[in-house]
Amino acid sequence: SQKIEQNSEALNIQEGKTATLTCNYTNYSPAYLQWYRQDPGRGPVFLLLIRENEKEKRKERLKVTFDTTLKQSLFHITASQPADSATYLCAPPFSGGYNKLIFGAGTRLAVHP
Amino acid sequence: DTGVSQDPRHKITKRGQNVTFRCDPISEHNRLYWYRQTLGQGPEFLTYFQNEAQLEKSRLLSDRFSAERPKGSFSTLEIQRTEQGDSAMYLCASSGQGGQTEAFFGQGTRLTVV
Repeated sequence: SQKIEQNSEALNIQEGKTATLTCNYTNYSPAYLQWYRQDPGRGPVFLLLIRENEKEKRKERLKVTFDTTLKQSLFHITASQPADSATYLCAPPFSGGYNKLIFGAGTRLAVHP
Repeated sequence: DTGVSQDPRHKITKRGQNVTFRCDPISEHNRLYWYRQTLGQGPEFLTYFQNEAQLEKSRLLSDRFSAERPKGSFSTLEIQRTEQGDSAMYLCASSGQGGQTEAFFGQGTRLTVV
């Protein structure tokens, strides 16, 4: 079955450093992949979408890569700030054709001053 | 338009009672999804509507769960004879037409079954 794996342990980094989060998927080949941010007690918020023919996508301090050979996406936050502390969810679509997203468990990021 | 709204934000109910949640999607969005999320997990897909048609329902969803989207606007999710295992955050999301569009989530309804 289609499976999404993200680092289950929290990632703790110092302010100003680059955070790198990993998303691995198995048993299918999504045409694109989305990343969301979720704060405690709130719904996820869309950050970035990357397509299979794009190796890299950037938005301000965020960068996403998509390696279809490795079946992996990396999510980077450069010059991290305490306000970046949240859970980050990887979401490729299920192979159903209507953008039903399958979410990983998410990686909790804590940026310390 | 203020985004996707869900009501109520919190619900505490006794085991065995029925509960109903409401979701108002972004008005021009024809796709609506319900997800369930427990602590430490990502959102788990429950069901999907395109306009008023319910096109998919997760096999994880028991017969106690039912969802509707009359007239393709707001949606309701009902849980009958609630069990303690139903305690979770119930999230609604909507998206527009097209294959690769972002989903907009509501704030969720936190259900606690005691």
